[in-house]
Amino acid sequence: QVQLQESGPGLVKPSQTLVLTCTVSGGSINSAGNYWTWIRQHPGKGPEWIGYISYNGISNYNPSLQSRVTISLDTSKNQFSLYLASLTAADTAFYYCASRTGGDWYFDLWGRGTLVTVSS
Amino acid sequence: EIVMTQSPGTLSVSPGERATLSCRASQSVSSHLAWYQQKPGQAPRLLIYGASTRATGIPARFSGSGSGTDFTLTISSLQSEDSAVYFCQQYYVWVTFGGGTKVETK
Repeated sequence: QVQLQESGPGLVKPSQTLVLTCTVSGGSINSAGNYWTWIRQHPGKGPEWIGYISYNGISNYNPSLQSRVTISLDTSKNQFSLYLASLTAADTAFYYCASRTGGDWYFDLWGRGTLVTVSS
Repeated sequence: EIVMTQSPGTLSVSPGERATLSCRASQSVSSHLAWYQQKPGQAPRLLIYGASTRATGIPARFSGSGSGTDFTLTISSLQSEDSAVYFCQQYYVWVTFGGGTKVETK
């Protein structure tokens, strides 16, 4: 059974770049058809889709974040990572890695999430 | 961007009673609509996709309906463990989520 686990700093300073990593266990990150996604959720709000990277390295991002976001794949470590630049307090949120196994863009596999606070 | 609006913000229902949650899209999303349940400190859990198909392991008391712009999630007989926040999500154009409905048991 595939499981996802986020890791990264819980506290980052404004203007810095956030780097979060999601480790995939129980399956191969480059299996055909897999799309690895980052989603964030501000406390008390609905989730916000950040973007995805496919099993073969094709990425796509939320237009509202596109200028600051990069998602990369590391097949040797079975991980994918989120890079979010130019942080402000508005980026304080829970960050989840997620995936879809059903062939369409609903998410049936989630990590437990990690809280990232942007503060000096 | 397709905006998803959920109502009501909070729903208080007695155990065993029916809970009806609404989700409206700012434009048609056909049947590309999913519902999630989120309990405190946990990630969202997929309940429904394709507007009406239950995800694996989801109890039959959860059902979804609707198409186009108006959707409903129904919990036919509320159990105490169903207290949570419920989100809808469209995946017709990109991916956007609603703001959530909090379901409480009286």
